[in-house]
Amino acid sequence: AQTVTQSQPEMSVQEAETVTLSCTYDTSESDYYLFWYKQPPSRQMILVIRQEAYKQQNATENRFSVNFQKAAKSFSLKISDSQLGDAAMYFCAYRSAESSASKIIFGSGTRLSIRP
Amino acid sequence: NAGVTQTPKFQVLKTGQSMTLQCAQDMNHEYMSWYRQDPGMGLRLIHYSVGAGITDQGEVPNGYNVSRSTTEDFPLRLLSAAPSQTSVYFCASRFTRGHHNEQFFGPGTRLTVL
Repeated sequence: AQTVTQSQPEMSVQEAETVTLSCTYDTSESDYYLFWYKQPPSRQMILVIRQEAYKQQNATENRFSVNFQKAAKSFSLKISDSQLGDAAMYFCAYRSAESSASKIIFGSGTRLSIRP
Repeated sequence: NAGVTQTPKFQVLKTGQSMTLQCAQDMNHEYMSWYRQDPGMGLRLIHYSVGAGITDQGEVPNGYNVSRSTTEDFPLRLLSAAPSQTSVYFCASRFTRGHHNEQFFGPGTRLTVL
């Protein structure tokens, strides 16, 4: 069974600085998707960034980028120029690409706080 | 599009009561699912459906029932609520075909069982 591990329950960063959130996963599959979701205090789950395992190039979305290391099964999220609005819970997630009915598996989350 | 909607937003039940959490989506998504979110545990899958008339169990199905009579609706039923079911519940949906099938989440229902 696949698992997703986020080893940092809480992180804190100074506004305008850069922070990296860690995520590791375990799978025997070769084709899959990885995601980072943001959950602000409103509780709404927001997709931040997605990575397809078959793509070697790391995904980027504005200030958000990932460091995808397939062999190491590592998928970290880098937030550059941190803003107060980035304060939230961040969840790493995995989904197999081998079935259209595959489930998303979530990590336990990292709570990110931004110091003004 | 309204996206994924959930009702109610908040609910308090007494042990043993029953209720249904409603979920609807207007994006014609085949795949719908229910998660519960507990502190320190992320989101765990309760039940899911890949189309009308088809449902299956997820990671934590005990105490919950689902049905999928239409593409749009996927209600979650608690037959006899227990304090262990106090949680935040999320409904989600996505297409099953294609690679760029983002999963959309509803706003969540906070349920307290006394």
